[in-house]
Amino acid sequence: AQSVTQLDSQVPVFEEAPVELRCNYSSSVSVYLFWYVQYPNQGLQLLLKYLSGSTLVESINGFEAEFNKSQTSFHLRKPSVHISDTAEYFCAVSDATGGGADGLTFGKGTHLIIQP
Amino acid sequence: DGGITQSPKYLFRKEGQNVTLSCEQNLNHDAMYWYRQDPGQGLRLIYYSQIVNDFQKGDIAEGYSVSREKKESFPLTVTSAQKNPTAFYLCASSSRVDNTEAFFGQGTRLTVV
Repeated sequence: AQSVTQLDSQVPVFEEAPVELRCNYSSSVSVYLFWYVQYPNQGLQLLLKYLSGSTLVESINGFEAEFNKSQTSFHLRKPSVHISDTAEYFCAVSDATGGGADGLTFGKGTHLIIQP
Repeated sequence: DGGITQSPKYLFRKEGQNVTLSCEQNLNHDAMYWYRQDPGQGLRLIYYSQIVNDFQKGDIAEGYSVSREKKESFPLTVTSAQKNPTAFYLCASSSRVDNTEAFFGQGTRLTVV
């Protein structure tokens, strides 16, 4: 079984400032790691994922996340945020031994609030 | 356009009634999933199906039922046995080739009064 902890339920940040959203996980098996973004009353969109290889993964809109196996963490960062980044962000894991087919385990989410 | 369609977007039902949420995908994906989202709780897996005519319980299956008669469709029934059915329900699908990328529908918000 896996579990995901997102330590901050809400993170307020000024526009153009850097931000880090924290995610820690627990699992007895190898996992794949994901960050999803959700805008109000919509479904989730995949932001980035770590499967294997380089521990630093990037998205097309400036976010990046680094897999740290020793600390079982997958924190999400962006050097300069915009108003349009205001959304709910979910960290998730899936069981790598099953190829990710058995569904995702999510954290409780972090609401990123960008202040002008 | 390829994607996942959930209908309706909003649904109201009286307590004690069963209700069925629709999920259709035209992505030719083998696997389909149902999640429940509650405020401050993240998403929790209700049921999933990796092939037609087969499905497995997720973490919170009690009070729900599903069927998978067609590859494109994975309806979820919220039964009267579900003690707290008011929630936002999300359907997702993924390809057998790449199960690591799940595509989500826009969700159905169910309110039971």
